[in-house]
Amino acid sequence: AQRVTQPEKLLSVFKGAPVELKCNYSYSGSPELFWYVQYSRQRLQLLLRHISRESIKGFTADLNKGETSFHLKKPFAQEEDSAMYYCALSGGSYIPTFGRGTSLIVHP
Amino acid sequence: KAGVTQTPRYLIKTRGQQVTLSCSPISGHRSVSWYQQTPGQGLQFLFEYFSETQRNKGNFPGRFSGRQFSNSRSEMNVSTLELGDSALYLCASRQDWTSYNEQFFGPGTRLTVL
Repeated sequence: AQRVTQPEKLLSVFKGAPVELKCNYSYSGSPELFWYVQYSRQRLQLLLRHISRESIKGFTADLNKGETSFHLKKPFAQEEDSAMYYCALSGGSYIPTFGRGTSLIVHP
Repeated sequence: KAGVTQTPRYLIKTRGQQVTLSCSPISGHRSVSWYQQTPGQGLQFLFEYFSETQRNKGNFPGRFSGRQFSNSRSEMNVSTLELGDSALYLCASRQDWTSYNEQFFGPGTRLTVL
């Protein structure tokens, strides 16, 4: 069975501070991992995926197979980063599994 | 390209009734997935359809069913509604059902069961 854990329901930081949203997964094979974001009153949308190894809006995420983690990081948070973030995993069965989400609040 | 559309956007039903939700995917997308989103459980996968066939199914009772038409539009049906079915139901489409494909989400249908 595959599982995604986001241990923090809420993460509150000040503008300019570093941000790390944690994501741990459980899957026996080689997973495909994603971060989705939902801004207020907007649709859930893809932020980044690990196979792309890209930086989107200053966010990066590295897959650590040893620690089974895919944490999302940004060195300097902006107020517009305030949103709900979901980590998701697709395994061999292709059924996407989402974490319960972390609400990020960036204070001015 | 037009995004994923869902109708209706809001629904109020009473216990025991049934409801049908509709989803139109992005043009060219043949896979449609349905999710239930609640504050307590987050996003939970219901099922995914590709080329009119259910490819994957989550852990929901048989009261939840779906189908997909030849134009890739999909409907989800919930029979004998319970209070706990109150949730935001999200539809997502992607080009196919392989693991690396990005999903594009609709705005959701907010279902309230009284």
